[in-house]
Amino acid sequence: GENVEQHPSTLSVQEGDSAVIKCTYSDSASNYFPWYKQELGKGPQLIIDIRSNVGEKKDQRIAVTLNKTAKHFSLHITETQPEDSAVYFCAASRAGNAGNMLTFGGGTRLMVKP
Amino acid sequence: DSGVTQTPKHLITATGQRVTLRCSPRSGDLSVYWYQQSLDQGLQFLIQYYNGEERAKGNILERFSAQQFPDLHSELNLSSLELGDSALYFCASSVSSGTDTQYFGPGTRLTVL
Repeated sequence: GENVEQHPSTLSVQEGDSAVIKCTYSDSASNYFPWYKQELGKGPQLIIDIRSNVGEKKDQRIAVTLNKTAKHFSLHITETQPEDSAVYFCAASRAGNAGNMLTFGGGTRLMVKP
Repeated sequence: DSGVTQTPKHLITATGQRVTLRCSPRSGDLSVYWYQQSLDQGLQFLIQYYNGEERAKGNILERFSAQQFPDLHSELNLSSLELGDSALYFCASSVSSGTDTQYFGPGTRLTVL
């Protein structure tokens, strides 16, 4: 089955700096890669996703890159703000008619210091 | 607010007991997913239903079962509970079964004493 590894497990940055979180996956057939943000006491919230036919996607301060050859994808947050502090999860799936089973990485606790 | 509702928010029970967790998907979503989040196992996929039928299955224990009803709400049944079943259980929903965004509910925190 799919295995997703995520690094680092904790990341502390100064407000205004950039943050980068990296994930690797094992199943070359995976085709869908979402990123979720989880705040304390809440469910995961999708912040951005990318499909395997795209190499990069950007949404304001957030960008995701995908390298299918190396089987890794990364989340980039620019101009970090204190409200970006949360746990971030990457995930991968081989989505299709047989379902969309997300395999999650272990999570990264991001702390943005004002 | 994702539009996915889960009840109850908290559940405390004893080993050996059986509980039922309930999920209502977003309006119009046909797929429902169940995930377990624990400190040692992280976020793990349990099972997916699409329009009432099981679509994908993860490492769901035999003591656990789920179903999706004609009104599309879903229930996750956990029986013969063990201490290790204590976790957050999340329901998510999506429009269909493929690469659509999965929207997560607020979760049910289960504590087994």
